[in-house]
Amino acid sequence: QQQVKQSPQSLIVQKGGISIINCAYENTAFDYFPWYQQFPGKGPALLIAIRPDVSEKKEGRFTISFNKSAKQFSLHIMDSQPGDSATYFCAASIRGSARQLTFGSGTQLTVLP
Amino acid sequence: NAGVTQTPKFQVLKTGQSMTLQCAQDMNHEYMSWYRQDPGMGLRLIHYSVGAGITDQGEVPNGYNVSRSTTEDFPLRLLSAAPSQTSVYFCASSRLAGGADTQYFGPGTRLTVL
Repeated sequence: QQQVKQSPQSLIVQKGGISIINCAYENTAFDYFPWYQQFPGKGPALLIAIRPDVSEKKEGRFTISFNKSAKQFSLHIMDSQPGDSATYFCAASIRGSARQLTFGSGTQLTVLP
Repeated sequence: NAGVTQTPKFQVLKTGQSMTLQCAQDMNHEYMSWYRQDPGMGLRLIHYSVGAGITDQGEVPNGYNVSRSTTEDFPLRLLSAAPSQTSVYFCASSRLAGGADTQYFGPGTRLTVL
Protein backbone atom coordinates (compact mmCIF):
# COMPACT_ATOMS: atom_id res chain seq x y z
CA GLN A 1 0.00 0.00 0.00
CA GLN A 2 1.59 3.21 -1.18
CA GLN A 3 0.69 6.01 1.19
CA VAL A 4 2.29 8.75 -0.90
CA LYS A 5 1.50 8.81 -4.62
CA GLN A 6 3.71 10.88 -6.90
CA SER A 7 3.25 12.00 -10.49
CA PRO A 8 4.43 12.23 -13.17
CA GLN A 9 6.99 9.44 -13.32
CA SER A 10 9.10 11.47 -15.75
CA LEU A 11 9.07 15.07 -16.89
CA ILE A 12 10.87 16.90 -19.67
CA VAL A 13 11.01 20.68 -19.54
CA GLN A 14 12.75 23.30 -21.63
CA LYS A 15 15.32 25.55 -19.97
CA GLY A 16 13.55 28.48 -18.36
CA GLY A 17 10.27 26.64 -18.03
CA ILE A 18 8.31 25.64 -14.94
CA SER A 19 8.55 22.08 -13.62
CA ILE A 20 5.63 20.83 -11.56
CA ILE A 21 5.59 17.57 -9.62
CA ASN A 22 2.55 16.46 -7.66
CA CYS A 23 2.06 14.24 -4.63
CA ALA A 24 -0.99 12.98 -2.79
CA TYR A 25 -1.10 11.31 0.58
CA GLU A 26 -3.62 9.17 2.43
CA ASN A 27 -2.59 9.25 6.07
CA THR A 28 -4.03 12.38 7.70
CA ALA A 29 -1.57 11.97 10.57
CA PHE A 30 1.30 13.04 8.31
CA ASP A 31 2.51 16.47 9.37
CA TYR A 32 5.86 16.96 7.69
CA PHE A 33 6.35 16.96 3.92
CA PRO A 34 9.87 17.20 2.53
CA TRP A 35 11.15 16.99 -1.02
CA TYR A 36 14.43 15.25 -1.76
CA GLN A 37 16.61 15.68 -4.82
CA GLN A 38 18.81 12.87 -6.11
CA PHE A 39 21.51 13.09 -8.76
CA PRO A 40 22.69 9.93 -10.54
CA GLY A 41 25.00 7.83 -8.37
CA LYS A 42 24.32 9.91 -5.27
CA GLY A 43 22.11 9.61 -2.24
CA PRO A 44 19.02 11.83 -1.93
CA ALA A 45 19.47 15.25 -0.35
CA LEU A 46 16.85 17.45 1.29
CA LEU A 47 15.68 20.21 -1.04
CA ILE A 48 12.80 21.90 0.77
CA ALA A 49 10.16 20.93 3.33
CA ILE A 50 6.80 22.19 4.56
CA ARG A 51 4.55 21.69 7.56
CA PRO A 52 0.75 21.69 7.12
CA ASP A 53 0.18 24.95 8.99
CA VAL A 54 1.26 26.89 5.88
CA SER A 55 -0.01 26.64 2.32
CA GLU A 56 3.19 27.60 0.54
CA LYS A 57 6.91 27.73 1.14
CA LYS A 58 9.44 29.23 -1.22
CA GLU A 59 13.19 28.88 -1.30
CA GLY A 60 14.81 30.50 -4.30
CA ARG A 61 13.39 28.92 -7.46
CA PHE A 62 11.76 26.08 -5.52
CA THR A 63 8.24 26.36 -4.08
CA ILE A 64 6.09 23.83 -2.24
CA SER A 65 2.33 24.32 -2.47
CA PHE A 66 0.25 22.47 0.12
CA ASN A 67 -3.49 21.74 0.07
CA LYS A 68 -4.48 20.11 3.35
CA SER A 69 -8.15 19.55 2.47
CA ALA A 70 -7.22 17.77 -0.75
CA LYS A 71 -4.30 15.96 0.90
CA GLN A 72 -2.01 17.07 -1.90
CA PHE A 73 1.25 18.93 -2.19
CA SER A 74 3.40 19.89 -5.12
CA LEU A 75 6.86 21.11 -6.02
CA HIS A 76 7.26 23.96 -8.49
CA ILE A 77 10.66 24.69 -10.01
CA MET A 78 10.69 28.09 -11.63
CA ASP A 79 13.12 29.02 -14.40
CA SER A 80 14.22 25.37 -14.64
CA GLN A 81 17.89 24.84 -15.48
CA PRO A 82 19.77 21.85 -16.93
CA GLY A 83 21.48 21.52 -13.55
CA ASP A 84 18.07 20.76 -12.03
CA SER A 85 17.95 17.51 -14.00
CA ALA A 86 17.63 14.88 -11.28
CA THR A 87 15.15 12.57 -9.63
CA TYR A 88 12.80 14.23 -7.16
CA PHE A 89 11.06 12.42 -4.33
CA CYS A 90 8.26 13.73 -2.20
CA ALA A 91 7.93 12.25 1.26
CA ALA A 92 5.82 12.43 4.38
CA SER A 93 6.24 11.64 8.04
CA ILE A 94 4.70 12.08 11.44
CA ARG A 95 6.70 14.35 13.69
CA GLY A 96 7.56 12.73 16.97
CA SER A 97 7.12 9.25 15.59
CA ALA A 98 10.21 7.09 15.62
CA ARG A 99 9.35 5.83 12.17
CA GLN A 100 11.11 7.56 9.34
CA LEU A 101 9.92 8.91 6.03
CA THR A 102 7.41 7.43 3.59
CA PHE A 103 8.57 8.29 0.07
CA GLY A 104 6.76 8.74 -3.20
CA SER A 105 7.89 6.76 -6.23
CA GLY A 106 10.02 9.56 -7.68
CA THR A 107 9.98 11.82 -10.74
CA GLN A 108 12.87 11.91 -13.18
CA LEU A 109 13.19 15.50 -14.37
CA THR A 110 15.12 16.38 -17.51
CA VAL A 111 15.66 20.03 -18.35
CA LEU A 112 16.69 20.52 -21.96
CA PRO A 113 19.23 23.27 -22.75
CA ASN B 1 32.88 15.60 8.87
CA ALA B 2 32.54 12.66 6.51
CA GLY B 3 28.77 12.55 7.03
CA VAL B 4 27.22 9.16 6.26
CA THR B 5 29.54 6.60 4.72
CA GLN B 6 28.61 3.24 3.21
CA THR B 7 30.70 0.29 2.11
CA PRO B 8 30.95 -1.38 -0.27
CA LYS B 9 29.76 0.75 -3.20
CA PHE B 10 29.08 -2.27 -5.40
CA GLN B 11 28.56 -5.93 -4.59
CA VAL B 12 27.59 -9.03 -6.54
CA LEU B 13 26.32 -12.04 -4.61
CA LYS B 14 25.09 -15.47 -5.54
CA THR B 15 21.73 -16.66 -4.30
CA GLY B 16 22.03 -17.95 -0.76
CA GLN B 17 25.15 -16.02 0.17
CA SER B 18 25.15 -13.71 3.15
CA MET B 19 26.80 -10.35 3.57
CA THR B 20 26.83 -7.18 5.65
CA LEU B 21 26.41 -3.68 4.29
CA GLN B 22 28.27 -1.21 6.45
CA CYS B 23 27.01 2.24 7.43
CA ALA B 24 28.64 4.80 9.67
CA GLN B 25 27.94 8.42 10.56
CA ASP B 26 30.05 10.96 12.42
CA MET B 27 27.35 13.54 13.20
CA ASN B 28 26.33 11.99 16.53
CA HIS B 29 22.81 11.38 15.19
CA GLU B 30 20.55 9.17 17.25
CA TYR B 31 18.32 8.11 14.38
CA MET B 32 19.51 5.89 11.58
CA SER B 33 17.65 4.06 8.84
CA TRP B 34 18.12 1.70 5.94
CA TYR B 35 16.18 2.12 2.70
CA ARG B 36 16.15 0.24 -0.54
CA GLN B 37 15.55 1.97 -3.84
CA ASP B 38 13.95 0.17 -6.74
CA PRO B 39 12.84 1.64 -10.08
CA GLY B 40 9.34 3.11 -9.90
CA MET B 41 9.01 2.37 -6.19
CA GLY B 42 10.89 5.18 -4.52
CA LEU B 43 12.72 4.46 -1.31
CA ARG B 44 11.25 1.91 1.05
CA LEU B 45 12.20 1.67 4.70
CA ILE B 46 13.80 -1.63 5.72
CA HIS B 47 14.81 -1.10 9.35
CA TYR B 48 15.47 1.86 11.57
CA SER B 49 17.04 2.66 14.92
CA VAL B 50 16.27 5.37 17.45
CA GLY B 51 19.51 4.89 19.35
CA ALA B 52 22.17 2.39 20.34
CA GLY B 53 20.62 -0.93 21.23
CA ILE B 54 17.18 -0.05 19.81
CA THR B 55 15.98 -1.15 16.37
CA ASP B 56 12.64 -1.70 14.71
CA GLN B 57 11.19 -2.93 11.45
CA GLY B 58 10.18 -0.75 8.57
CA GLU B 59 8.04 -1.47 5.53
CA VAL B 60 10.11 -4.28 3.97
CA PRO B 61 12.15 -6.01 6.71
CA ASN B 62 12.01 -9.63 5.56
CA GLY B 63 15.40 -11.11 4.75
CA TYR B 64 17.34 -8.41 6.56
CA ASN B 65 18.75 -8.03 10.05
CA VAL B 66 20.18 -4.99 11.79
CA SER B 67 21.91 -4.16 15.04
CA ARG B 68 23.03 -0.91 16.63
CA SER B 69 25.80 -1.43 19.15
CA THR B 70 27.15 2.12 18.86
CA THR B 71 25.71 5.50 17.92
CA GLU B 72 27.98 5.65 14.87
CA ASP B 73 27.40 2.30 13.18
CA PHE B 74 24.29 0.64 11.76
CA PRO B 75 25.12 -2.44 9.66
CA LEU B 76 22.54 -4.23 7.52
CA ARG B 77 22.84 -8.00 7.17
CA LEU B 78 21.44 -10.07 4.35
CA LEU B 79 20.96 -13.53 5.77
CA SER B 80 20.49 -15.53 2.57
CA ALA B 81 20.55 -13.36 -0.52
CA ALA B 82 17.77 -13.69 -3.09
CA PRO B 83 17.45 -12.11 -6.57
CA SER B 84 14.54 -10.02 -5.20
CA GLN B 85 17.08 -8.23 -3.01
CA THR B 86 18.86 -6.79 -6.04
CA SER B 87 18.58 -3.08 -5.35
CA VAL B 88 20.38 0.07 -4.32
CA TYR B 89 20.62 0.38 -0.56
CA PHE B 90 20.84 3.71 1.24
CA CYS B 91 21.65 4.37 4.85
CA ALA B 92 20.46 7.64 6.40
CA SER B 93 20.79 9.42 9.70
CA SER B 94 18.99 12.32 11.33
CA ARG B 95 19.08 14.29 14.53
CA LEU B 96 15.35 14.04 15.23
CA ALA B 97 12.81 11.24 14.95
CA GLY B 98 9.95 10.91 12.52
CA GLY B 99 11.89 12.35 9.64
CA ALA B 100 10.99 15.82 10.91
CA ASP B 101 14.55 16.88 10.47
CA THR B 102 16.98 16.66 7.58
CA GLN B 103 17.86 13.08 6.77
CA TYR B 104 21.42 12.71 5.57
CA PHE B 105 21.88 9.90 3.10
CA GLY B 106 24.98 7.94 2.30
CA PRO B 107 26.13 7.39 -1.30
CA GLY B 108 24.47 3.98 -1.54
CA THR B 109 25.47 0.37 -2.15
CA ARG B 110 24.42 -1.20 -5.45
CA LEU B 111 23.75 -4.88 -4.83
CA THR B 112 23.18 -7.51 -7.49
CA VAL B 113 22.08 -11.00 -6.53
CA LEU B 114 22.51 -13.63 -9.24
